Amino acid sequence: DTGVSQDPRHKITKRGQNVTFRCDPISEHNRLYWYRQTLGQGPEFLTYFQNEAQLEKSRLLSDRFSAERPKGSFSTLEIQRTEQGDSAMYLCASSLAPRTVTGELFFGEGSRLTVL
Amino acid sequence: EDQVTQSPEALRLQEGESSSLNCSYTVSGLRGLFWYRQDPGKGPEFLFTLYSAGEEKEKERLKATLTKKESFLHITAPKPEDSATYLCAVQAGNTPLVFGKGTRLSVIA
Repeated sequence: DTGVSQDPRHKITKRGQNVTFRCDPISEHNRLYWYRQTLGQGPEFLTYFQNEAQLEKSRLLSDRFSAERPKGSFSTLEIQRTEQGDSAMYLCASSLAPRTVTGELFFGEGSRLTVL
Repeated sequence: EDQVTQSPEALRLQEGESSSLNCSYTVSGLRGLFWYRQDPGKGPEFLFTLYSAGEEKEKERLKATLTKKESFLHITAPKPEDSATYLCAVQAGNTPLVFGKGTRLSVIA
């Protein structure tokens, strides 16, 4: 059984550098979500895709952040010109719509970003 | 704006000492309330979905209940392996889940 996988698991970068995270969802899942989580907080929604279409982006999402899901399979989340405030765990989740209404998201183990 | 507030922030229990975690919410048109468990350094793991007031769901030592303004996660005779952060989330319409900050549960043997 292959769950949601994320790569890299840990990334340390210097302020101003660009970083990219990859997420491979469960193969038959058509929805893919990106969340961000900082210490002591719950996951915060960033964006989500249904197949290859990006359906919603958080108002809080800076234009330095961009996400893609080419061909409706894996997804990438790129952060340009990183800032120290971008340090967080970036979580990817997938689900099978319309069963998504159950809120049953399958999360990966996350990619932890540290910006020095 | 949808809001989810969880209490307490942290809870320390002796093994076998039952207790409850609270999740109060403000949302227009609740479609569902969800409980997740998160272990340190891992992603959240789905536990329950509750759709309407009065509904209850059980899984092993956990029981989730829902009223019109809050949900409770009851933990009966907890064991050390129940130690984790428990997250509550709500969904309104077809919007993405909004999570609370979670309750950190520690169960001491």
